[in-house]
Amino acid sequence: DVKVTQSSRYLVKRTGEKVFLECVQDMDHENMFWYRQDPGLGLRLIYFSYDVKMKEKGDIPEGYSVSREKKERFSLILESASTNQTSMYLCASLGLAGGINTGELFFGEGSRLTVL
Amino acid sequence: SQKIEQNSEALNIQEGKTATLTCNYTNYSPAYLQWYRQDPGRGPVFLLLIRENEKEKRKERLKVTFDTTLKQSLFHITASQPADSATYLCALDLPPGTYKYIFGTGTRLKVLA
Repeated sequence: DVKVTQSSRYLVKRTGEKVFLECVQDMDHENMFWYRQDPGLGLRLIYFSYDVKMKEKGDIPEGYSVSREKKERFSLILESASTNQTSMYLCASLGLAGGINTGELFFGEGSRLTVL
Repeated sequence: SQKIEQNSEALNIQEGKTATLTCNYTNYSPAYLQWYRQDPGRGPVFLLLIRENEKEKRKERLKVTFDTTLKQSLFHITASQPADSATYLCALDLPPGTYKYIFGTGTRLKVLA
């Protein structure tokens, strides 16, 4: 089974702190994504990456950056956390079968971040 | 801009009945549409994907239909069980044919024993 692992399930940070959210997938998937999920707003795409060192902005990239130095790892960085970044953060990777993207997203369990 | 609408009100049904959830979208049609299940505090889990040239897809007790004229997908769970209680999200690719998805806010289903 595909496994997408997010390093922290719960984090509490203070305003202005730098925050790293790590995500690792074990299936050699090329495409990886970071979403945030807020009540009433659903999942919103922050950034995605289609290859090592490649990244594209999603719908709400402001205040975030990402890093993909290795294929299996996609990190989300909050350079200076703010209270409006309190949210559930979900990492996902895109399924691959026979070298072809399947369209199916595999999600991690989520990281619930609280910024005080 | 493209929007997805799912009934934000919770759906309560009796065990054994068929649950039907609706996903409507505006503007242009996606290349494919997907349904996910999400339990409280967990990440979404993929259920079914249906392509624009498919009208219906089934997987065990699940059935998805896709009407590009109505710009609507219906998601059915037959012989529903309390374990089916969860929030169900629909998602579509935007722009069509890419792997960037937009998600609906989900419909919470509660199956009563």
